[in-house]
Amino acid sequence: DAKTTQPNSMESNEEEPVHLPCNHSTISGTDYIHWYRQLPSQGPEYVIHGLTSNVNNRMASLAIAEDRKSSTLILHRATLRDAAVYYCIRLSGNTPLVFGKGTRLSVIA
Amino acid sequence: ETGVTQSPTHLIKTRGQQVTLRCSSQSGHNTVSWYQQALGQGPQFIFQYYREEENGRGNFPPRFSGLQFPNYSSELNVNALELDDSALYLCASSFLDGYGYTFGSGTRLTVV
Repeated sequence: DAKTTQPNSMESNEEEPVHLPCNHSTISGTDYIHWYRQLPSQGPEYVIHGLTSNVNNRMASLAIAEDRKSSTLILHRATLRDAAVYYCIRLSGNTPLVFGKGTRLSVIA
Repeated sequence: ETGVTQSPTHLIKTRGQQVTLRCSSQSGHNTVSWYQQALGQGPQFIFQYYREEENGRGNFPPRFSGLQFPNYSSELNVNALELDDSALYLCASSFLDGYGYTFGSGTRLTVV
C-alpha cells in the first residue's frame, strides 16, 4: 500500500511550470515526503524530499501543505527530458520505498 | 566509486531454472533494497538488507532470496523461475535513514 494518491497522468507544454500533486492524508509525524521519477528504460531517480518546510534543489521545488496531508512537486520549466513517471512516497526511518502507480507526465513541444 | 551498477543488463532463462542478479552499491551505502517492476507497473519491494542482515521483506515467496556483502555488493537469487518472474529487477542503495536512494538501471529478466 503506497498510502499516497496521485493523478494517473498529466500533460504540460514545454518551458511551462508543472505542478504535480500528491495526497498523503494519513501521514505520520516522522514520515518524510520523497519524490522520485522514472524516465523510460531507466531506474527511478531521486528528485527531492522534505519533512515540513518547502524545499528547493536544482531539479525541482517541493511545497508541503501546512497540515502535511498533501504536497506538490514543482518543475519550474518543463523540458522534453522531464517526461517521466513521477512517484510521491512516504518514507520513515530505514523503511523501504513503497511505490504506487505514480503520475505519468507528458511534455509537449 | 559513484552510482549503483547492476549486472547483467539483460538475461533470458528457462522456466524452472535458477538465476543470480548482482548489484554493486556506492561505497558507504549500508542499506540495499531490491525491487521487481513488471511492464507498466511501479516497482514492487522484494526485500531490504542493512549491514548484511535482511531487515524487511515484501510479499514475495521464499524462492526469492538475497545476500549483502561487506564490500557493498549484493545479489538477488530466484529459484524455480516462473514465467511471471519476467520483469525488470532494480537494486537501490542508501546511506542514511530517510535519505534518498540511488537506483541502478536494472536487469531485464525474461523467463521462457
